[in-house]
Amino acid sequence: EAGVTQSPTHLIKTRGQQATLRCSPISGHTSVYWYQQALGLGLQFLLWYDEGEERNRGNFPPRFSGRQFPNYSSELNVNALELEDSALYLCASSFFGTGPDTQYFGPGTRLTVL
Amino acid sequence: SQQGEEDPQALSIQEGENATMNCSYKTSINNLQWYRQNSGRGLVHLILIRSNEREKHSGRLRVTLDTSKKSSSLLITASRAADTASYFCAERKKSSGDKLTFGTGTRLAVRP
Repeated sequence: EAGVTQSPTHLIKTRGQQATLRCSPISGHTSVYWYQQALGLGLQFLLWYDEGEERNRGNFPPRFSGRQFPNYSSELNVNALELEDSALYLCASSFFGTGPDTQYFGPGTRLTVL
Repeated sequence: SQQGEEDPQALSIQEGENATMNCSYKTSINNLQWYRQNSGRGLVHLILIRSNEREKHSGRLRVTLDTSKKSSSLLITASRAADTASYFCAERKKSSGDKLTFGTGTRLAVRP
């Protein structure tokens, strides 16, 4: 069974540009979560999507947005990039419902803002 | 939201020794989960302990949970060089929907 996949692996942008990161969840999982891991900081929760709806949002400005498609894949968009947006962005998926609520993580997209 | 704290921040041990990492949290939880991260890549789920459990085992891993002290510990027995990684605890809180709140992590180095 394929795990969570993310693309691209690396992304280099300049300040002010927009970045789009993509995530495909494990087959059968309906929830997708996005986390930011900046250098020297822990993982910060960004967004949670389930069944195409945004369910929860972390303490990030509105220029961080996303969506979930009918096939449950997800996109994270970061507008007006700032230098401090440079980080590893991790996507995770789970089946939201009964049973264990383990989140399965993808390998991440490393975003560098110059 | 506040993150849990883990200690130590870094731990260096010899292969074969045991490694113990601790995690403290601040609010009521549904469960607490431990993850491992190799070299800034994706996280791998290790073990989940529910709020009504006190101890759980998985292979060489042993996790304890003390809800009265709001703390958990992860013990890795008979460590191997391949255990070198960062280890994070993550709280799933009753009031925060389905998100996980991660601790700051412990960097473990196992010397061969």
